[in-house]
Amino acid sequence: GIQVEQSPPDLILQEGANSTLRCNFSDSVNNLQWFHQNPWGQLINLFYIPSGTKQNGRLSATTVATERYSLLYISSSQTTDSGVYFCAVDNYGGSQGNLIFGKGTKLSVKP
Amino acid sequence: DGGITQSPKYLFRKEGQNVTLSCEQNLNHDAMYWYRQDPGQGLRLIYYSQIVNDFQKGDIAEGYSVSREKKESFPLTVTSAQKNPTAFYLCASSIAAGGPYNEQFFGPGTRLTVL
Repeated sequence: GIQVEQSPPDLILQEGANSTLRCNFSDSVNNLQWFHQNPWGQLINLFYIPSGTKQNGRLSATTVATERYSLLYISSSQTTDSGVYFCAVDNYGGSQGNLIFGKGTKLSVKP
Repeated sequence: DGGITQSPKYLFRKEGQNVTLSCEQNLNHDAMYWYRQDPGQGLRLIYYSQIVNDFQKGDIAEGYSVSREKKESFPLTVTSAQKNPTAFYLCASSIAAGGPYNEQFFGPGTRLTVL
């Protein structure tokens, strides 16, 4: 089945710094989503981005589907950005539509 | 407010007992999903349903059962056959399963602990 790898596994930043999180996937996808899991476990949708570039405030994402990777950029990080960031993709051509998750990047932003 | 609700937030179970986790959505989505998350890991699919009265096994369905009698509701039963049920359970929904309508939205989760 499709494999999803995220890097780095852990990231520690000072408040105000910028960061780039990477997601590599092993096959073609219909769907790629980025999520932020907060300390209470809630998964918050950041981007639905099977291809192209999107921006939302201090966050932006780019997916290069032909090269099978996606990047999440966080600028001017804040302590509230702390948590785990997941990339998830679907099974291309599959009818079930379930998401395959990477193991996440744990981000800690220090004041 | 449109969204997905899960209850209870925390659940404790004795070994040998079945428990049922609730998931309700008012987004008018056809597809619903149950995922399991273990500490330090990503999510894995237990069951999914593309439409009312239909559901399919995911990657780790053994020891779990579901029903989909109403569009809004997709309860998950963790049976005594599930060998390691302590985990965080998340329910999700999407307009449809697969294709461009598969953007999934998640509920707040239920933490199940087996004593």
